[in-house]
Amino acid sequence: KAGVTQTPRYLIKTRGQQVTLSCSPISGHRSVSWYQQTPGQGLQFLFEYFSETQRNKGNFPGRFSGRQFSNSRSEMNVSTLELGDSALYLCASRRQPSTDTQYFGPGTRLTVL
Amino acid sequence: KNEVEQSPQNLTAQEGEFITINCSYSVGISALHWLQQHPGGGIVSLFMLSSGKKKHGRLIATINIQEKHSSLHITASHPRDSAVYICAVVSTSYGKLTFGQGTILTVHP
Repeated sequence: KAGVTQTPRYLIKTRGQQVTLSCSPISGHRSVSWYQQTPGQGLQFLFEYFSETQRNKGNFPGRFSGRQFSNSRSEMNVSTLELGDSALYLCASRRQPSTDTQYFGPGTRLTVL
Repeated sequence: KNEVEQSPQNLTAQEGEFITINCSYSVGISALHWLQQHPGGGIVSLFMLSSGKKKHGRLIATINIQEKHSSLHITASHPRDSAVYICAVVSTSYGKLTFGQGTILTVHP
């Protein structure tokens, strides 16, 4: 069974631009969560989607948004990029948004110049 | 004070040693996760616990709900165990993962 895939793996943008990251969950998994990892703040929860609905949201500004499609694939968007948005963005999938084990993708490393 | 605290932050061991990493949390939880992250970023979920103890190979995870504390033990450590180990809790209030800052483990041959 294929794992969680994320595209692109690496991305360089400039301040003020916007970016869209994609996550394809493991087949049969309907819950997708997004996380941001930076050296200073560590791992932080962004949001979780289940059946195309956002279930939970972390403490991030409205520039960070996401969505989930009917095939469970998810995208996250960051608008008006800031230098501090440079991070590793990870998504994780699981069958149900409960206490199921999450399976992480390899991440997208975003650099904002 | 962070909701999830790990100790130690850095840990160096010789191959074969028994290793313990601790995690304390201050919120009510429905589950606790132990994650492993190797250089390059990939994260693997090692355990998910809501009570008691779990074992997988050389790894053992325990949780004491009353004391709000969990430990990850590695027996007969090996250089390939070198990684960052992260504790994360699912709070009953918010239902989302909150992470500890991680423990950097280096095992020397």
